[in-house]
Amino acid sequence: SQQGEEDPQALSIQEGENATMNCSYKTSINNLQWYRQNSGRGLVHLILIRSNEREKHSGRLRVTLDTSKKSSSLLITASRAADTASYFCATDSEYKLSFGAGTTVTVRA
Amino acid sequence: SQTIHQWPATLVQPVGSPLSLECTVEGTSNPNLYWYRQAAGRGLQLLFYSVGIGQISSEVPQNLSASRPQDRQFILSSKKLLLSDSGFYLCAWSSLVGPNGELFFGEGSRLTVL
Repeated sequence: SQQGEEDPQALSIQEGENATMNCSYKTSINNLQWYRQNSGRGLVHLILIRSNEREKHSGRLRVTLDTSKKSSSLLITASRAADTASYFCATDSEYKLSFGAGTTVTVRA
Repeated sequence: SQTIHQWPATLVQPVGSPLSLECTVEGTSNPNLYWYRQAAGRGLQLLFYSVGIGQISSEVPQNLSASRPQDRQFILSSKKLLLSDSGFYLCAWSSLVGPNGELFFGEGSRLTVL
């Protein structure tokens, strides 16, 4: 079953702008992960944030987690055309990860 | 380093024909293995996962089946394909024991059932 839901479904921004997308989930988690998928390719892991963490950075990525609201956000700063992709949040349950429907980000040059 | 291979990359099959998609992982032992399906423009639906040889858990009842004949080999099969089986199939692995739970995905197999 789908645990996380991303918002918005699609996002179009100019190169150099920041892109923010949100993820809401339903049940308690141990960690939340964000993945990226280029068109027609497999998913690539971007960042993992544990339930006891509130914010995490990796290069131009910033992830926040609010367990009281059961939500997370992914911020991509200074976007580039190469950031054009779909972004998915995933929450863990035992051995499984449940993915949302994703946010499709288009960065215009 | 660990690698994951999926094949075939693209497949066009008639309704009612059989299916076999293969996935192998190299460079690690006793991985958790997963099959996901992604419909066009949609998220990922977990189909099967396996924590060991011969151990398969099914998430969605359907005409697909999975097998794990070897530690690092995961096979997705069907005896008779339906139109609704069309989609992008992704194999993934994760470490059995570890704090991260990160999934490593293959490049996917695109199946079109006509």
